[in-house]
Amino acid sequence: DAGVTQSPTHLIKTRGQQVTLRCSPISGHKSVSWYQQVLGQGPQFIFQYYEKEERGRGNFPDRFSARQFPNYSSELNVNALLLGDSALYLCASSWGGLAAGELFFGEGSRLTVL
Amino acid sequence: KNEVEQSPQNLTAQEGEFITINCSYSVGISALHWLQQHPGGGIVSLFMLSSGKKKHGRLIATINIQEKHSSLHITASHPRDSAVYICAVYGNKLVFGAGTILRVKS
Repeated sequence: DAGVTQSPTHLIKTRGQQVTLRCSPISGHKSVSWYQQVLGQGPQFIFQYYEKEERGRGNFPDRFSARQFPNYSSELNVNALLLGDSALYLCASSWGGLAAGELFFGEGSRLTVL
Repeated sequence: KNEVEQSPQNLTAQEGEFITINCSYSVGISALHWLQQHPGGGIVSLFMLSSGKKKHGRLIATINIQEKHSSLHITASHPRDSAVYICAVYGNKLVFGAGTILRVKS
């Protein structure tokens, strides 16, 4: 069975641009969550979606948005990119919410903002 | 004070040693996750706990909800255990500790 897949794996953008990151969860998993990990630091929670509804949001500005589709895949959008948005963006899926079972992480999308 | 505190921040052990990593948190939670991250970024879930104790191979995780504390133990450590170990707690959002960098020398 395929694990959590994320695309693209690497991308370079310039300040002010917009980026869309994609995540496909493990088959049967209904929850997707997004995390930002700046180099040398631990992950920071951005969003959680369960059954296509936002169920949690971390302390990130409104430039960050996400959605979950009927097939449970998800997109993370970041507008008006800043240098500080350079990070590894991780997606995790689980069959239920964040307290319902183990999290399965993708390999991440590494975003560089120049 | 951070909501999730891990100790130690860095740990070097000799192969075969028993290792303990601690996680203390200050908020009410419904679950606690232990995660492992190898250089290069990949994160693997080790355990999800809401009470008691879980064991998987050489790894044991315990949680004391009343004391707001969890421990991850590694028995008979091996160089392949070298990684960053991260505790994350879930109340209404997932909050991560800063991680413990473990190096096991042969």
